[in-house]
Amino acid sequence: EPEVTQTPSHQVTQMGQEVILRCVPISNHLYFYWYRQILGQKVEFLVSFYNNEISEKSEIFDDQFSVERPDGSNFTLKIRSTKLEDSAMYFCASNGPGQGMNEQFFGPGTRLTVL
Amino acid sequence: ELKVEQNPLFLSMQEGKNYTIYCNYSTTSDRLYWYRQDPGKSLESLFVLLSNGAVKQEGRLMASLDTKARLSTLHITAAVHDLSATYFCAVDRGSNYKLTFGKGTLLTVNP
Repeated sequence: EPEVTQTPSHQVTQMGQEVILRCVPISNHLYFYWYRQILGQKVEFLVSFYNNEISEKSEIFDDQFSVERPDGSNFTLKIRSTKLEDSAMYFCASNGPGQGMNEQFFGPGTRLTVL
Repeated sequence: ELKVEQNPLFLSMQEGKNYTIYCNYSTTSDRLYWYRQDPGKSLESLFVLLSNGAVKQEGRLMASLDTKARLSTLHITAAVHDLSATYFCAVDRGSNYKLTFGKGTLLTVNP
């Protein structure tokens, strides 16, 4: 069964460093997303991507964040200069057919720890 | 701004008992989702509800949607320990299908 994959599963970085989180969405899906979940809190939308461009972004998604789809399969989230408060679980998701209708499928997540 | 509220946020119940989790949302939405999350894990899709009056069941879980009341319920029947997890409802609205989540309900089923 197709699934969304993410790498790495856990990333530890120093404050101020750049990180790139990687995702491979399900191949026939057209909409891609990044969400984050701070420990013990709800899942928050960061950005959606469609037709090779950002379709919507949240207030959280400031200039430190960027997304790319560099080839036909990968979808990346870059944080240019990490802050302590960026520590969270980051989930990639893609939207496509499921249960007879469009459905959003989530990857396993990348736990980002900023020291 | 779309808001999604779940209650209760914490639920401790005994095996064999029934209970309901409620999800209210503030504006018209296109789809309502229920997800399950185990500690440190990803979000597992349980149900997608599209239309008013939709009811879906899988095992001991049943979800329903009342779009007029902007309310969805997740009913647990004869709970078992394996159902212990955090349950999130989420709604999407608009052409991007982005999800707005509730805060989640941490369910603990005790023997």
